[in-house]
Amino acid sequence: DTAVSQTPKYLVTQMGNDKSIKCEQNLGHDTMYWYKQDSKKFLKIMFSYNNKELIINETVPNRFSPKSPDKAHLNLHINSLELGDSAVYFCASSRGDANTGELFFGEGSRLTVL
Amino acid sequence: GDSVTQMEGPVTLSEEAFLTINCTYTATGYPSLFWYVQYPGEGLQLLLKATKADDKGSNKGFEATYRKETTSFHLEKGSVQVSDSAVYFCALSENNNDMRFGAGTRLTVKP
Repeated sequence: DTAVSQTPKYLVTQMGNDKSIKCEQNLGHDTMYWYKQDSKKFLKIMFSYNNKELIINETVPNRFSPKSPDKAHLNLHINSLELGDSAVYFCASSRGDANTGELFFGEGSRLTVL
Repeated sequence: GDSVTQMEGPVTLSEEAFLTINCTYTATGYPSLFWYVQYPGEGLQLLLKATKADDKGSNKGFEATYRKETTSFHLEKGSVQVSDSAVYFCALSENNNDMRFGAGTRLTVKP
């Protein structure tokens, strides 16, 4: 069973469209994250949710809206896509326990905006 | 704020060579330190970690020691293999809800 799964794995779309990426974890973790990885492999946190509540919201355009229907799911919706949104988006989860600190990552969703 | 700086890549080595990837950090408190590895086409996975000063994390022949006096957590391996080719990320966390990553160092090992 995949621990952290995200769909779709690849997404190609036109500028101005709206798209969503879904993420689910079956590890029973309390905390979930979205990270953006650019073409140079730089990894930047976007959002963090703990038990469905937003706890980290970095400086991200408000075109990006995370939604957590329950603590096993954290979806990312992006409005009015721009060329600069092209990247690989990673979902991750953790126990929310300060003693472990281990994040479990999904395989990534590569978004290409044309 | 907390941050991590790691040596720029790419790093290219021959099989069985010694590897060092430098990592230094800035933190207000006492963070836990991590090395993550990303193989081609995959997500990041934890390689090793250390939660307090002088701790040594180790896994798969890789080691890193938490040095508070030099605020460093350098990754080392005595003899690299082709299968170690990947991108390596140094990271820190002062609480589990905010993991900060370095820029990543791409390692290529040639036979």
